[in-house]
Amino acid sequence: AQTVTQSQPEMSVQEAETVTLSCTYDTSESDYYLFWYKQPPSRQMILVIRQEAYKQQNATENRFSVNFQKAAKSFSLKISDSQLGDAAMYFCAYRGYQGGSEKLVFGKGTKLTVNP
Amino acid sequence: GAVVSQHPSWVICKSGTSVKIECRSLDFQATTMFWYRQFPKQSLMLMATSNEGSKATYEQGVEKDKFLINHASLTLSTLTVTSAHPEDSSFYICSATPLAGSSGANVLTFGAGSRLTVL
Repeated sequence: AQTVTQSQPEMSVQEAETVTLSCTYDTSESDYYLFWYKQPPSRQMILVIRQEAYKQQNATENRFSVNFQKAAKSFSLKISDSQLGDAAMYFCAYRGYQGGSEKLVFGKGTKLTVNP
Repeated sequence: GAVVSQHPSWVICKSGTSVKIECRSLDFQATTMFWYRQFPKQSLMLMATSNEGSKATYEQGVEKDKFLINHASLTLSTLTVTSAHPEDSSFYICSATPLAGSSGANVLTFGAGSRLTVL
């Protein structure tokens, strides 16, 4: 079964600085998708960035970028120039197939605090 | 962009009653929708995968008779919590992805969630 592990329950960063959130996953599949979702206090899940496993190039979305290491099964998120609005729970997610059924599996999340 | 509407956003009911939560994809069609449950300060736990026109696929440990899922059309899936009890109180979230081959087909869009409180 696919599993997603986020080893940092909480992280903090100073405004304007850079922070990296860690994520590792376990799978036997070769084709899958990885995501980072943000959940602010409103609890609305917001897509931050996604990565297709077949692409070697790391995805980038403005201040957000990933370091995707397929062999190591690692998918970390880097937030540059952190802003107060970045404070939220961040969930790493794996999308693939298990038992013939498509699934999106989440890690336990990392709570990010941005200090002014 | 893709929008998923979830209704109601919050509901309070008495123990023993049933509650229905709707999940609609507003501007796209979705063959598959997912239902999650989230306890306070915890991650999203996949409950079931809802497939249009067929039976839902439930995750291990999720009671099929307790959590009835119906996916009657390409834009609507419903979750009915039957004979609700206080332990069913939780935050329920649905998500959907556009049909394969359409724009954004590999990205799940989430509803805003439904907070259920069973008294």
